Amino acid sequence: ETGVTQSPTHLIKTRGQQVTLRCSSQSGHNTVSWYQQALGQGPQFIFQYYREEENGRGNFPPRFSGLQFPNYSSELNVNALELDDSALYLCASSPPGGGANVLTFGAGSRLTVL
Amino acid sequence: AQSVSQHNHHVILSEAASLELGCNYSYGGTVNLFWYVQYPGQHLQLLLKYFSGDPLVKGIKGFEAEFIKSKFSFNLRKPSVQWSDTAEYFCAVSGNEKLTFGTGTRLTIIP
Repeated sequence: ETGVTQSPTHLIKTRGQQVTLRCSSQSGHNTVSWYQQALGQGPQFIFQYYREEENGRGNFPPRFSGLQFPNYSSELNVNALELDDSALYLCASSPPGGGANVLTFGAGSRLTVL
Repeated sequence: AQSVSQHNHHVILSEAASLELGCNYSYGGTVNLFWYVQYPGQHLQLLLKYFSGDPLVKGIKGFEAEFIKSKFSFNLRKPSVQWSDTAEYFCAVSGNEKLTFGTGTRLTIIP
């Protein structure tokens, strides 16, 4: 079975720009969560998507938004990029009923904001 | 609110040494605890997890962890480390559909 795949793996943006990161969930998984991992820190929960709707959100501003599609894949959008948005963005999927207890993580998208 | 503290930021050991990484948590509900590992350039992988039952849980690659409720701790142990254990280790607690991670411990094993 394929795992969680994320794209792009690396990207560079400038302040004020917008970025879209993509995630394909593991086969059989219907819930997708996004985490931000700043350098030297542990991952921080951004939000979770289930049945194409946001189902829980961490302490991130509204310029962080997401989508989930009928095939359970997901996008993370960040508007008005700031320098502090530079981080590794991790996508994780889980099977029905698994929630945060059964997460499979992707390798991440490393965003650098200049 | 849930939180996790990992007090060891960087640990350096020689091969064959014993390992113990500290993890303390704070959470008001039923506790589910995890240790994840992130090898250089690789994705986060689950080492082990505790939901209930025997407080001593065994994971992959010879790792184990002990849940001590009275101390709010879930320390990770390995009796004899290998060079290949060099990685970042994260303790986490789950609740409200999310994982809350500690800041991580970087483990460097010297051959």
